[in-house]
Amino acid sequence: KAGVTQTPRYLIKTRGQQVTLSCSPISGHRSVSWYQQTPGQGLQFLFEYFSETQRNKGNFPGRFSGRQFSNSRSEMNVSTLELGDSALYLCASSGQGLYTGELFFGEGSRLTVL
Amino acid sequence: EDKVVQSPLSLVVHEGDTVTLNCSYEVTNFRSLLWYKQEKKAPTFLFMLTSSGIEKKSGRLSSILDKKELFSILNITATQTGDSAVYLCAVDLHNFGNEKLTFGTGTRLTIIP
Repeated sequence: KAGVTQTPRYLIKTRGQQVTLSCSPISGHRSVSWYQQTPGQGLQFLFEYFSETQRNKGNFPGRFSGRQFSNSRSEMNVSTLELGDSALYLCASSGQGLYTGELFFGEGSRLTVL
Repeated sequence: EDKVVQSPLSLVVHEGDTVTLNCSYEVTNFRSLLWYKQEKKAPTFLFMLTSSGIEKKSGRLSSILDKKELFSILNITATQTGDSAVYLCAVDLHNFGNEKLTFGTGTRLTIIP
């Protein structure tokens, strides 16, 4: 069973640009959540999608947005990039059924903003 | 504001030692506490704890939750170099079916051969 796939794995952007990151969840998983990981703040929740609907959102500015498609694949977009947006962006998926609390993480997209 | 605090921030021990990692939390709508191991990029799931006082065990790793004092510990006995990683504690907040994890900043464990 394929794991969570994130693309691109690495990217470099300059301030003011925008970026789109993609996440394909494990087959059958309908919940996709996004996290930002930085050395100082650790993992911080961005948002979670389930069946194409955003169910929860973290405390990030409106420059951070996302969506989910009917096949459960998700994208997140960051507009007007700032230096502080440099981070590892992790996507995680989870399935239905008995609650286990387990999230399955992808390898992440490493964004560097210059 | 929901908060998860892990200690120590980093720990260096010799192979064969036993380590205890700590996690305390202050959150609303607590559902469960989870431990993850992050070796390179993708965190991998270790344990989920929901009930106080019940130890979860997997090989040399074990964890227990104290819901009265709002903390959890993760023990690793007879450590090996493969245990070197960042250990993340997270709390799952259940609110009308919407879940999100609030993570601590992690404990970086280094095992010296």
